[in-house]
Parts: sequence; structure tokens; C-alpha cells
Amino acid sequence: EDKVVQSPLSLVVHEGDTVTLNCSYEVTNFRSLLWYKQEKKAPTFLFMLTSSGIEKKSGRLSSILDKKELFSILNITATQTGDSAVYLCAVDTGTASKLTFGTGTRLQVTL
Amino acid sequence: GAVVSQHPSRVICKSGTSVKIECRSLDFQATTMFWYRQFPKQSLMLMATSNEGSKATYEQGVEKDKFLINHASLTLSTLTVTSAHPEDSSFYICSARPGTGVKAFFGQGTRLTVV
Repeated sequence: EDKVVQSPLSLVVHEGDTVTLNCSYEVTNFRSLLWYKQEKKAPTFLFMLTSSGIEKKSGRLSSILDKKELFSILNITATQTGDSAVYLCAVDTGTASKLTFGTGTRLQVTL
Repeated sequence: GAVVSQHPSRVICKSGTSVKIECRSLDFQATTMFWYRQFPKQSLMLMATSNEGSKATYEQGVEKDKFLINHASLTLSTLTVTSAHPEDSSFYICSARPGTGVKAFFGQGTRLTVV
């Protein structure tokens, strides 16, 4: 059974801190790994990673994939209160294009 | 960019009635759409894969007679919660991908409350 595990489950930091969110996976067939941010409603796309060692960056957010060790990290630097959300990691196993989601990490950024 | 629209965003219904949720891909064709359920403070749980022109594929433990899925066109999939009960109250989200190997887009979600 395909499995995606995220850690920590929840995290509280102060504005300005840097955080690292983890995602590990065990799947029979790997095509890509995706990160999403979910605030109140639908998840919004952050990154899609397919190759090991290539960092994807967007502003204060960055992510990298390690296909040998089967994990990915999402970094957020200089956090802001607007970063408070649930961050979801999902793996595309190529099976009918469906995504298997991790449990999510709930991030709260306080003033 | 690709957009997926889901309707309604919120619905309250009486126990025993049925509720239909629509998911539309607005600017691309989707032969496959996905329906997820999300409980409070939990992640997205895939319920079923909706296939245009054929039967949906349900995940283990999801009752296909309870959650009817119809994907009659390349831009529309519907999820009908039949004979709804309070335990069906949840957040339902659909998603679609413009092609294989590309990111998935999500609808706005539907919060269903069964009273």
C-alpha cells in the first residue's frame, strides 16, 4: 500500500523564524511529488518535484527531493502570519494520475 | 491557468435526503477527476476516481451506492451523496489534471452538513 508521511503534524513558530517541513514516502511507482498549501478551502499548488537534488524556489519557499532516501523537505524562511496553513505533500504514483496525500503539517505563525 | 470549479460551496440538508455536488474543469478537458473527503484537521482522503464515459473507481471502504459518481462529459463530474446521514457531514473536494505528469487543480470544496 502506498504511504506518504509528513512531520511534524503541527508546528507553532514566531514570525521571522525559518521552518522545515518533512515528507517521506513509500510507493510502488513514483512519478512526482507535489506540495500544496491549504488555508480554509481548496489546496493551492506550491511545487512539483520530479528529480533529486534540484531545488525549486518561489520567494521565501523552497523545496527539494531526495529520491534515494525517499523524502522531500519544504523550507519557509522569514515566516509571516500569512504562512499559517496546512501544508500537504502528495505523491503521484502514475496510477490513473491519482495523488496520494500525506497527513499534512499544520503550521501556525504567531507575532 | 487551469481552473476547476466546484458547486455548491456549502450545503445543509436533512437526514435521508440526497445532495449533488458538481465539479467542472473550466478551461481544459479532464477524462479523469478525483473526489476527496476531508475531516476536520485531517488530510485529504481519496474517495474515488471519476472516469469520463465509464464507471468510477472507488477506493477501499467507500460505498459506491452511497456516493454516486457520474462523469458524463469531459468537463463535468458529479458526486451525489444519497440518503445522507449526519456522519456524512464533511468537506468534499474535487480535483482534475489537464494531463498526466502535471499538477492537479482543486475545486473550492463543498462543506456538507447533514442535520
